[in-house]
Formats: sequence, C-alpha cells, structure tokens
Amino acid sequence: RKEVEQDPGPFNVPEGATVAFNCTYSNSASQSFFWYRQDCRKEPKLLMSVYSSGNEDGRFTAQLNRASQYISLLIRDSKLSDSATYLCVVNVDSSYKLIFGSGTRLLVRP
Amino acid sequence: DAGVTQSPTHLIKTRGQHVTLRCSPISGHKSVSWYQQVLGQGPQFIFQYYEKEERGRGNFPDRFSARQFPNYSSELNVNALLLGDSALYLCASSLLAGVTGELFFGEGSRLTVL
Repeated sequence: RKEVEQDPGPFNVPEGATVAFNCTYSNSASQSFFWYRQDCRKEPKLLMSVYSSGNEDGRFTAQLNRASQYISLLIRDSKLSDSATYLCVVNVDSSYKLIFGSGTRLLVRP
Repeated sequence: DAGVTQSPTHLIKTRGQHVTLRCSPISGHKSVSWYQQVLGQGPQFIFQYYEKEERGRGNFPDRFSARQFPNYSSELNVNALLLGDSALYLCASSLLAGVTGELFFGEGSRLTVL
C-alpha cells in the first residue's frame, strides 16, 4: 500500500465549477500536511498547508480528518489557470522528508 | 532574488555511465534535499543535507550519493546508471533541517538513460 494515495484523475471540469480532491495517508504518525501544485514539466510549488481545523485561501479550502486519515482540497469557481497536477504531501514526525502522493490531474475547460 | 538553480537542465546518458547533478539553494538556506520524480509519479525523497551533513536518506541504492559544500550548494551523483534512473531530479532548499514550512524546488534536471 502506498503511503499517500490519490485518485490520478484527470478531473475534467468547466470553468466556474467546484471540484474536490481527496487523499489518504497510511501513517497515523503523520504530523504535517500540504498540497503542492505542479504544472506540466515544471517543479512542484506549495499551494497551501493543511491544518487540523481546516483552512481557506481564497478559492481553495483544505480539510484534514485525522481519524480517517484523509486530506481534501476544494477548489471553487475553477479557472483555466487552475489546470495542473495537485500533489498531496505528508510529513511524519516533523522529520526531514516529505512523502508525496502521485498527484491528481485537473483540467479546466472553457 | 534567485531561486533554487539546478544544472544541467537536461542530459542523456547511457547505461553504466555516471552523472553529477548540481544545485544552488536560495541564498540563506542551509538545507538541501534531493527528490526523484519518475513520469506519472510524485517526487520521492533521496537525500537531505543540512550544514554539510547528511540528515536523511531515502530508499535508494548506494549508487546514489550526494554532498553539500561550504557554500551550501550540493551535488547528487549516480553511478552505474540504469534505465530506471531516467527521471526528473529535483533539488529543494529550506531554511531549516526539519520540515516546518515550505520547500522551494528548482526546475529540476531531466535525466534520460538509454
């Protein structure tokens, strides 16, 4: 079983749609959680950290459910520029490494 | 300000050869991490160096080695290349050794092994 699992997609949605991605992690000792965005053939960039109480950044909302060991990302009012791969990332015990999921691909069409 | 810079950006090698990839972290960042990203997968941790010492190593064979220099730049070396080593190699820098915030990635070195 992979340490971090994501639906690879692609999710193909029209502009203005709301789309949600989920991610599950296997290690209950995981302490920090992130969503990174990766454009085609580019480097990953931090989209947002995920806090236990949930957090919002503009059109993006992240939620964490420690009991079920899953993380979600909600994107409202999708833009063409949101088309990218979204990587779910966890860190165990504030250690030195990040564990990435394989990513969920989002395509936003006009 | 310059971000994380990596070189070379693309390279082609044949099986059995070795390769050296280079990384310069953001100015002031003392930690450098290396990740391997195979097509269709997420990045996988290889090494982390902080203050010129290895702080962590991922599940990679001994053919992979790295080091960090006094100016905090880093090299990743891979010996006896295999076809499966074809990947995007990403370098990331951060201020501190632990993952307390954002990792800043370079654009990567894309290695093709023939």
